[in-house]
Amino acid sequence: GESVGLHLPTLSVQEGDNSIINCAYSNSASDYFIWYKQESGKGPQFIIDIRSNMDKRQGQRVTVLLNKTVKHLSLQIAATQPGDSAVYFCAETVNDYKLSFGAGTTVTVRA
Amino acid sequence: NAGVMQNPRHLVRRRGQEARLRCSPMKGHSHVYWYRQLPEEGLKFMVYLQKENIIDESGMPKERFSAEFPKEGPSILRIQQVVRGDSAAYFCASSLTLGQATYEQYFGPGTRLTVT
Repeated sequence: GESVGLHLPTLSVQEGDNSIINCAYSNSASDYFIWYKQESGKGPQFIIDIRSNMDKRQGQRVTVLLNKTVKHLSLQIAATQPGDSAVYFCAETVNDYKLSFGAGTTVTVRA
Repeated sequence: NAGVMQNPRHLVRRRGQEARLRCSPMKGHSHVYWYRQLPEEGLKFMVYLQKENIIDESGMPKERFSAEFPKEGPSILRIQQVVRGDSAAYFCASSLTLGQATYEQYFGPGTRLTVT
């Protein structure tokens, strides 16, 4: 499953499929980007980050891609599991501390 | 390892009362950040503090809101004379900084403030 564009806040994906969550950031001066996962009633949980001098970074089951030309960030989750159901936020920062969060994408995993 | 702790988890206040939200950073972290999250929205930066210093409060409303991080004890976000528009989830994060490197922010579970 894939979220398309800025204004599609939900993504439904079949368990086992790959998920792609997209995010467009606003500040061309941003140099550090982070993906957070937020489950209901909890605080954001760090997933993966990337600096502007990179265009791809991989973690366990997750990959972040950065396209500075079009100011676009994506998070790919491999083999999506029920525990991946949550709201996903991208965040950007220029000065390493003032995080600016996007609106979030709600991911629902279908069994 | 205890994570970032916030209390209370839920707080109900009547209009005009004061709300005090507490945040204990992770062990060894000396940088604290407060964010506010309205329903269906992302988090908005409010303030960044180090021990006994406010570093950046550019996201704080000019009136009724204040924050501190004393030498001893938790960081406190204080909202005086609360109004219904203050109802939100308030999250605290902490980080470790060594030299010029700033490390990732770890978030607490949040305090959900409801103003009636």
